[in-house]
Amino acid sequence: AQSVTQPDIHITVSEGASLELRCNYSYGATPYLFWYVQSPGQGLQLLLKYFSGDTLVQGIKGFEAEFKRSQSSFNLRKPSVHWSDAAEYFCAVGVPTSYDKVIFGPGTSLSVIP
Amino acid sequence: ETGVTQTPRHLVMGMTNKKSLKCEQHLGHNAMYWYKQSAKKPLELMFVYSLEERVENNSVPSRFSPECPNSSHLFLHLHTLQPEDSALYLCASSPDWGGADGYTFGSGTRLTVV
Repeated sequence: AQSVTQPDIHITVSEGASLELRCNYSYGATPYLFWYVQSPGQGLQLLLKYFSGDTLVQGIKGFEAEFKRSQSSFNLRKPSVHWSDAAEYFCAVGVPTSYDKVIFGPGTSLSVIP
Repeated sequence: ETGVTQTPRHLVMGMTNKKSLKCEQHLGHNAMYWYKQSAKKPLELMFVYSLEERVENNSVPSRFSPECPNSSHLFLHLHTLQPEDSALYLCASSPDWGGADGYTFGSGTRLTVV
C-alpha cells in the first residue's frame, strides 16, 4: 500500500528566509502528488499538484515543488517566506489505479519569526 | 469563500445526543468526502460519495451515518458518540471520485463530545 511521510513535524523560519518542506512517498509507480496548506481553524487548500511531465511544478502563493523519482520525494519550496505562510502543510499521494485514493501525510507545522 | 460550506462551525454534544453535520458545494463536483482530523494523527478518510452513491466506507463505526441526497449536499448524522470522536470533521469535494484533480475542502466542523 502507498504511504507518505513528512520527516519534519515542526519547522521555524525567519520571515524572508527560504523554505523547504520534505515529503517522501512509498509506491511502486509514479503516483499523483499534492501539497495542501491548512491555516488555523480552516480547511485544507490545494497549493499544487503533480501528475506527470515537468518535475518542477509551480503552485499558488509563490510555492513550488520538485518531484524526484530516484528519491521518492516531492519537496515543497518557497524562496522567501512571509509571516502569513505560518500554517500546517500536508503532502498527499494519490494512486492512479481504477480506484484512486488519496493518502495524506501527518503534516508539518510551519512557524515564521518576524 | 472556498466553494465548500460546512455547518455548523462548532458543535458540542453529549454522548446521548443526535446531531447532523452539513456540507454543501456548488462547484459542480461529482464526488464528496468526509474526513476526520484528530490532533497528532493524519487525516482519516471516512466516507466517499460519487454521484450520490457511496463508494467507500473506511470501517467507520455505525454511530456515524452519512447521507448524500444529491450531488451538492452531504450530511453526517451523529448519534451516541464517544469522547474520542471529538475532532475536526472536514468535508471535501472533487470533480470526479478519484481525487486526481485535488480536493476542495470546507472549513470544517469542530466537534466536541462531552
